[in-house]
Amino acid sequence: AQTVTQSQPEMSVQEAETVTLSCTYDTSESDYYLFWYKQPPSRQMILVIRQEAYKQQNATENRFSVNFQKAAKSFSLKISDSQLGDAAMYFCARGAGGTSYGKLTFGQGTILTVHP
Amino acid sequence: GAVVSQHPSWVICKSGTSVKIECRSLDFQATTMFWYRQFPKQSLMLMATSNEGSKATYEQGVEKDKFLINHASLTLSTLTVTSAHPEDSSFYICSATDTGSPNEKLFFGSGTQLSVL
Repeated sequence: AQTVTQSQPEMSVQEAETVTLSCTYDTSESDYYLFWYKQPPSRQMILVIRQEAYKQQNATENRFSVNFQKAAKSFSLKISDSQLGDAAMYFCARGAGGTSYGKLTFGQGTILTVHP
Repeated sequence: GAVVSQHPSWVICKSGTSVKIECRSLDFQATTMFWYRQFPKQSLMLMATSNEGSKATYEQGVEKDKFLINHASLTLSTLTVTSAHPEDSSFYICSATDTGSPNEKLFFGSGTQLSVL
């Protein structure tokens, strides 16, 4: 089975500090996408960042950036200047390209706590 | 922006009854929709891929006769949990792809909490 692994069940960070969430994945496909989703207590899935596997440049979205290591199949999320509103469950996910776009395999999730 | 509406947001039913959950794409056509299941403090697990006008594709281990999926139009997919039992209690989430957008986009519904008594 092609899996996504998040090895950190829980992480904590002080407000305004930086935290990195880890993710590794397995795939035999050449065309795929990687995602980080945030799930707050409301349980609405919120897209944090998306990375196309064919792009070498790491994706960034304001305070959020990724370290995409394709050969190592690693996709970590860095949150800079952490805010209280960043506290949530974070899921790493892998999706295929083409007609299977949107079919995601999720990691186990990492609960992020932000301390004031 | 594009929105996926999921209804109801929560439902309580008696064991043995059936429950229908709707997933609608409000301002785009979704050829493909996906249904996920999430147990408390666990990950999302893909149940099935719903294709407009054709039979759904179920993931291994998902009972087709228990979780009926219908995708009769480009904006609506339904998941019916038949003869629900307490072990079917879970959070169900749908998603839809907007393949008509310049960059393929994926949107999630707000989820449905099913509690079977």
